Amino acid sequence: IQLTQSPSFLSASVGDRVTITCRASQGIYSYLAWYQQKPGQAPNLLIYGASTLQTGVPSRFSGSGSGTEFTLTISSLQPEDFATYYCQQLSSYPYSFGQGTKLEI
Amino acid sequence: QVQLQESGPGLVKSSQTLSLTCTVSGRSISSGSYYWSWIRQPAGKGLECIGRLYTSGSTNYNPSLKSRVTISMDTSKNQFSLKLFSVTAADTAVYYCAREVVRDGYSSLDHWGQGTLVTVSS
Repeated sequence: IQLTQSPSFLSASVGDRVTITCRASQGIYSYLAWYQQKPGQAPNLLIYGASTLQTGVPSRFSGSGSGTEFTLTISSLQPEDFATYYCQQLSSYPYSFGQGTKLEI
Repeated sequence: QVQLQESGPGLVKSSQTLSLTCTVSGRSISSGSYYWSWIRQPAGKGLECIGRLYTSGSTNYNPSLKSRVTISMDTSKNQFSLKLFSVTAADTAVYYCAREVVRDGYSSLDHWGQGTLVTVSS
């Protein structure tokens, strides 16, 4: 299953609302997770089941969608949110990831 | 608190075998309903699932690597391991181990190791 994220690069400012889209090549119900990765670090789980916030993740992050189209929204960007974001499908193994969206200041 | 830590050689010669170990603390790898996974990321690129090991010992591998991969567990040391045979420069990457958990019917990789860079040299 192929995942395509858009955009690949996104420039934004502190306080902005941003949305990242992830499209699947076939329906995956809600078996989708979102991760944040900062340089030199492992990915960090933000959302699973397309819309459930991982414990400890700030509420400014939210996810939605089902089937083939999903979104990750950050309601008000904070300085620590500038990173690369990946979606991952967990509908069938091997799980696959999107190519990533780099969020830059 | 579950923690994972990768270890192994940072340099492997082409055509040889890459061997990595993930040591898990805070949770027994042979209890509960978890998958213990290996994922890799070439420099500046995206993430690729290599394979995973269930607590029962059963495995799933990425078909693109299946002929060259073995994942196994050592319950006495609470570790699981990756072996990738006949490596080439294309296998140069940061290798992560991670735990897959199922909650409310949905899987996710909720705990990751810090990652270890493996370079394949000619």
